[in-house]
Amino acid sequence: AQKVTQAQTEISVVEKEDVTLDCVYETRDTTYYLFWYKQPPSGELVFLIRRNSFDEQNEISGRYSWNFQKSTSSFNFTITASQVVDSAVYFCALTPIKAAGNKLTFGGGTRVLVKP
Amino acid sequence: GAGVSQTPSNKVTEKGKYVELRCDPISGHTALYWYRQSLGQGPEFLIYFQGTGAADDSGLPNDRFFAVRPEGSVSTLKIQRTERGDSAVYLCASSPGTDYGYTFGSGTRLTVV
Repeated sequence: AQKVTQAQTEISVVEKEDVTLDCVYETRDTTYYLFWYKQPPSGELVFLIRRNSFDEQNEISGRYSWNFQKSTSSFNFTITASQVVDSAVYFCALTPIKAAGNKLTFGGGTRVLVKP
Repeated sequence: GAGVSQTPSNKVTEKGKYVELRCDPISGHTALYWYRQSLGQGPEFLIYFQGTGAADDSGLPNDRFFAVRPEGSVSTLKIQRTERGDSAVYLCASSPGTDYGYTFGSGTRLTVV
C-alpha cells in the first residue's frame, strides 16, 4: 500500500515570497513515479511534474523547483517569487511503476494563498 | 476533443435516486480513470479502464457504484441508491497509455440531498 502525506494544509504568503510545499511518501515498491498537480479554483487538476524513483536529480522549471530525496522519502516543491496566480491547492501523488495501469495515491493537498 | 470533458458539471439529486456521470476522454486515449474527491481531501482512485475493460476496479466503495466503457471511448459512472456520503467531485482522467501522464477533466460535482 502507498501513502502520501502533505503536512501543511494551508500556506499564506505575500506576493514575491518563496513558498515550499512538503511531501512525504511511503511505499513498499522499489520503482515508482512521484507527481505534483495544481488544482486552481476551476477544479481541474493540472499536471506539473513527474519524477521516477531512479532519478534523484533536482529539477527546475521557471519559478518551480523540486527536491527529491529518496533517503527521507520526500519530494518537496518550491515556488520562487510567488504570484497571485499561484493561488491554488497543490497535490503530491505517487504510483508504482507497473504494466497494468498507474493509479495515483494522492496526498491531502496544501492550499496556497498568495496575497498581493 | 481538446481535453477531457465531463458532464454534467453539477448534479443535485435526492437520496435514494440513481445517477449517471459521463466522461469523454481525449480522442485516442486508451486508458481512462475515475477518481472521487471529497471536500478538503485529495482525489481517491475508483476504477481504471484499458480499452473497454475495467482493468482495476478496486477503488469502487461498494456495489452501488458501477462504471462502463462499452466502445473504449466514453465512460459512464453509475451510482445506484445514492446516499448523502456520495456527495463529492467525481474526476475523470485519460492517458495515451499506462506509462504516460494523465489529463484530468474539470469534474462533476455531485450533491445528494
